[in-house]
Amino acid sequence: NAGVTQTPKFQVLKTGQSMTLQCAQDMNHEYMSWYRQDPGMGLRLIHYSVGAGITDQGEVPNGYNVSRSTTEDFPLRLLSAAPSQTSVYFCASSSSPGNSPLHFGNGTRLTVT
Amino acid sequence: GENVEQHPSTLSVQEGDSAVIKCTYSDSASNYFPWYKQELGKRPQLIIDIRSNVGEKKDQRIAVTLNKTAKHFSLHITETQPEDSAVYFCAADTGGFKTIFGAGTRLFVKA
Repeated sequence: NAGVTQTPKFQVLKTGQSMTLQCAQDMNHEYMSWYRQDPGMGLRLIHYSVGAGITDQGEVPNGYNVSRSTTEDFPLRLLSAAPSQTSVYFCASSSSPGNSPLHFGNGTRLTVT
Repeated sequence: GENVEQHPSTLSVQEGDSAVIKCTYSDSASNYFPWYKQELGKRPQLIIDIRSNVGEKKDQRIAVTLNKTAKHFSLHITETQPEDSAVYFCAADTGGFKTIFGAGTRLFVKA
């Protein structure tokens, strides 16, 4: 099993550009989520999904969109990138949220200039 | 919503000493408390977790304690080694599909 796979590993955007961060998992987990990690602020939940067709907002959802058309994939879209979105983004999945741990991908380092 | 506070933000110990990291949470409905270790440039990985019906859990040199009444939980690492140097995150999950993390503790173990 590859686990949770994120692409790309690095990305540089100009302000106002859009892009999609890809996330796929092969563990058949219903639950998937996106976090951003900034220095001194830990991991903050952006959006999460409890299954195909179901998504909801986390702590910091503004500026991001998600969709979940399959169990395996959970892409994160930045519609109009801003410098405040410079961060490291982690996708995670779990077999039983609230009872079992999150499995994280290797992260995407995004810089918005 | 849930809020998790973690202290200290930085901790430096001598090899062989113990390290303790403390967290408090706000939502009394929280029932699952995982701890993650993140090495430089890597992803966070679970090192130990505890559920609300348990007061303490040990795994070799690592232990976690939970005080539900006071709403705090702690990570204890004994006989620290240089490879324990990393950032440690506590987290709380209310069972409402949101795992909320503390801000992290950077642990330095000096050889």
